[in-house]
Amino acid sequence: ELKVEQNPLFLSMQEGKNYTIYCNYSTTSDRLYWYRQDPGKSLESLFVLLSNGAVKQEGRLMASLDTKARLSTLHITAAVHDLSATYFCAVEVSGYALNFGKGTSLLVTP
Amino acid sequence: DGGITQSPKYLFRKEGQNVTLSCEQNLNHDAMYWYRQDPGQGLRLIYYSQIVNDFQKGDIAEGYSVSREKKESFPLTVTSAQKNPTAFYLCASSVNIRTEAFFGQGTRLTVV
Repeated sequence: ELKVEQNPLFLSMQEGKNYTIYCNYSTTSDRLYWYRQDPGKSLESLFVLLSNGAVKQEGRLMASLDTKARLSTLHITAAVHDLSATYFCAVEVSGYALNFGKGTSLLVTP
Repeated sequence: DGGITQSPKYLFRKEGQNVTLSCEQNLNHDAMYWYRQDPGQGLRLIYYSQIVNDFQKGDIAEGYSVSREKKESFPLTVTSAQKNPTAFYLCASSVNIRTEAFFGQGTRLTVV
């Protein structure tokens, strides 16, 4: 059974600070996705990571994938309030639908 | 505009009733999915379909049923056998099972 674990599950950080969210998964996969969800809303795709060593950046967010360690990170640089949301990683195992982590609720405070 | 449309946005159900949640996509995607979201639980897979007239159970299929008679449509029925149906339901689709999934806006179901 594939397990996808995110940590931390809750994160409160000050504006301007840096932080990293971690996503570990339990079985071999070479495809990992990061999504953002605002309260009461649907999921918005942030990053698609398709191979070992993949790194994607968009604004203050950067995601990376290490398939050998079964680990993906989502790094936040100089956080701003607009980044407050819940972030999910999702792992695809061949022939099966995406498995999601429980999400990291991020709150950026002044 | 291309996208995934879920309806209704809010749905109230009396105990013992079946209800059907609609999901339609015009993205020409082969694969479609239903997920359930509870507070603090992340998303859990109910059913998915890789092609018309075929679907597979996910991790929490008990008390739910689906059909895939058309490529564009993947309705989810929440039956009276589902003991705790109050949740946020998200439908998604993708080109195929190995590509990025896009989500609808969700249906919030409440049992009253």
